[in-house]
Amino acid sequence: DVKVTQSSRYLVKRTGEKVFLECVQDMDHENMFWYRQDPGLGLRLIYFSYDVKMKEKGDIPEGYSVSREKKERFSLILESASTNQTSMYLCASSETARNEKLFFGSGTQLSVL
Amino acid sequence: RKEVEQDPGPFNVPEGATVAFNCTYSNSASQSFFWYRQDCRKEPKLLMSVYSSGNEDGRFTAQLNRASQYISLLIRDSKLSDSATYLCVVNKKDSSYKLIFGSGTRLLVRP
Repeated sequence: DVKVTQSSRYLVKRTGEKVFLECVQDMDHENMFWYRQDPGLGLRLIYFSYDVKMKEKGDIPEGYSVSREKKERFSLILESASTNQTSMYLCASSETARNEKLFFGSGTQLSVL
Repeated sequence: RKEVEQDPGPFNVPEGATVAFNCTYSNSASQSFFWYRQDCRKEPKLLMSVYSSGNEDGRFTAQLNRASQYISLLIRDSKLSDSATYLCVVNKKDSSYKLIFGSGTRLLVRP
């Protein structure tokens, strides 16, 4: 079974802190994604990556950056956390370029106080 | 206007009932379509793909109407374990393929 592991299930940070969310997948997938999920808004794509050191902006990249130094690891960085970044963050990977099946991690619930 | 729209529900049905969800999408260039299921406080998981000819997987039937730009999911003989949020998902191609998620329809199956 594909496993996508997110480093923290719950995280509490203060406004202005730099926050790192880590994601690791064990199936040698090329494609990795970061989404945030908010009530009533569904999942929204923040950033994605189709290859090591490659990244592409999703629909809501403002306030975020990403890093993909190794194929299995995709990190989401909040340079200066703000309260409107309180959300559930979901990492996902897929094996095909058409991304028809995403495998998600169990999510990180981030609270910014 | 959202690219993928769903009725949030909740749909509250008794065990054994048949229930149907619809979803509409706005981008006529959308390439492929899916239903994902998300249990409470869990991650989404692929339930089934949706094909123009319609497809069935046990008690679940998915249909696509490209002309009207809507997708449906029918669940027959509902079980308590079907209680979840069902996410309608559309695969769109810009410079690359991107999955666009609806905000989900919540289903509660009661004994």
